Amino acid sequence: EAGVAQSPRYKIIEKRQSVAFWCNPISGHATLYWYQQILGQGPKLLIQFQNNGVVDDSQLPKDRFSAERLKGVDSTLKIQPAKLEDSAVYLCASSLDPRGRETQYFGPGTRLLVL
Amino acid sequence: DAKTTQPPSMDCAEGRAANLPCNHSTISGNEYVYWYRQIHSQGPQYIIHGLKNNETNEMASLIITEDRKSSTLILPHATLRDTAVYYCIVRTSSNTGNQFYFGTGTSLTVIP
Repeated sequence: EAGVAQSPRYKIIEKRQSVAFWCNPISGHATLYWYQQILGQGPKLLIQFQNNGVVDDSQLPKDRFSAERLKGVDSTLKIQPAKLEDSAVYLCASSLDPRGRETQYFGPGTRLLVL
Repeated sequence: DAKTTQPPSMDCAEGRAANLPCNHSTISGNEYVYWYRQIHSQGPQYIIHGLKNNETNEMASLIITEDRKSSTLILPHATLRDTAVYYCIVRTSSNTGNQFYFGTGTSLTVIP
């Protein structure tokens, strides 16, 4: 079974530029998550999708971050404009159950550096 | 916010059992305890989870105290490849679904 795929693996941008990350969850998984992991900290949930609907985006900085999951499969996370403090690893995870009651499986992450 | 506390770091000799403790004194009756680990530059990897009973799989054992306020992850024969950050997580439930809140984890170093 293929795991969660993410791209790109690395990205370097200057502040005030925009950037987008892509995630392809495990086939058939209803719930998709985006996490932000700052160096030395545990992952922090940004947004949770159930199929193609948002169920929790309370920790997403909506003035600059946006995410979508069209057709309930792939998802993109965008930052516009980026700030220095956005430098982090962005992790995508998915779980089978629509309410997230099953185990979450994580992708390798996208490492973002904002200069 | 994370509902768990873990020691920031631990060492373990190769081939010995690694016992990683976790406190979750405010856990609710229907909340599960999950363990993940994260090897450098990789995404977190699922290890094991449980509710009340002790659990064992091919990777590890999970011992949950009777009052459910703490648990211990046991790696029975640690190898150098087990060097990683280990996260103990309480899966919380809300009207919108179930979420994981990660703390800072325990950095385990397996020593040759």
